[in-house]
Amino acid sequence: EIVLTQSPATLSLSPGERATLSCRASQFVNINHLAWYQQKPGQPPRLLIYATFNRATGIPARFSGSGSGADFTLTISSLEPEDFAVYYCQQRTLWPRTFGQGTTVEIK
Amino acid sequence: EVQLVESGGGLVQPGGSLRLSCSGSGFAFSNYHMFWVRQTPGKGLEYVAGIHDNGINTYYVDSVKGRFIISRDNFENTLYLQMSGLRPEDTALYYCVKSGPDWAFNGDNWGQGTLVTVSS
Repeated sequence: EIVLTQSPATLSLSPGERATLSCRASQFVNINHLAWYQQKPGQPPRLLIYATFNRATGIPARFSGSGSGADFTLTISSLEPEDFAVYYCQQRTLWPRTFGQGTTVEIK
Repeated sequence: EVQLVESGGGLVQPGGSLRLSCSGSGFAFSNYHMFWVRQTPGKGLEYVAGIHDNGINTYYVDSVKGRFIISRDNFENTLYLQMSGLRPEDTALYYCVKSGPDWAFNGDNWGQGTLVTVSS
């Protein structure tokens, strides 16, 4: 099983600031098999980024993804009030698909 | 609009059984691979089982092998998860998830979930 470790666990930032979230895999993940999700309370996860770099339909340009091998990053260039939420990375290189434990982006 | 509506959750005693259902609409159900994903505060998000569009090939996380069975009825546009030998650690919110084309993330859809509680 591929273990995904996200850091930090919590990010305390103000609106307008830049957020950088990390996802480190226990082994190689194909760049086409890495995604980022956002989850808000009472809602299912929503796809933000797929295949490491690509924004899903309707996702604003302030969200971007990068990385390769076993290190991946989600960047939010300038936080909007609606961006404060929990973010998960997910891989599908190996079954079972796995998620990281999540990074909470909270208002400072 | 794609809709996935889960049902069948509830309170069950350890060792008991439960069958979850997921009704899909707004898309060609038989053309998409499907999953059950569960979420708990402690363990986070976990893929429990997956099934090919044709219903023949299935996949399970180790912790549920031999206890859970995923199946589908492509005529009724319904996904199922038959759960038996339930344990307290199976307590979770269970989501029905439609894969994107060819197992891709892009184009996936999630239901709102159904809560399963295993407790005496």
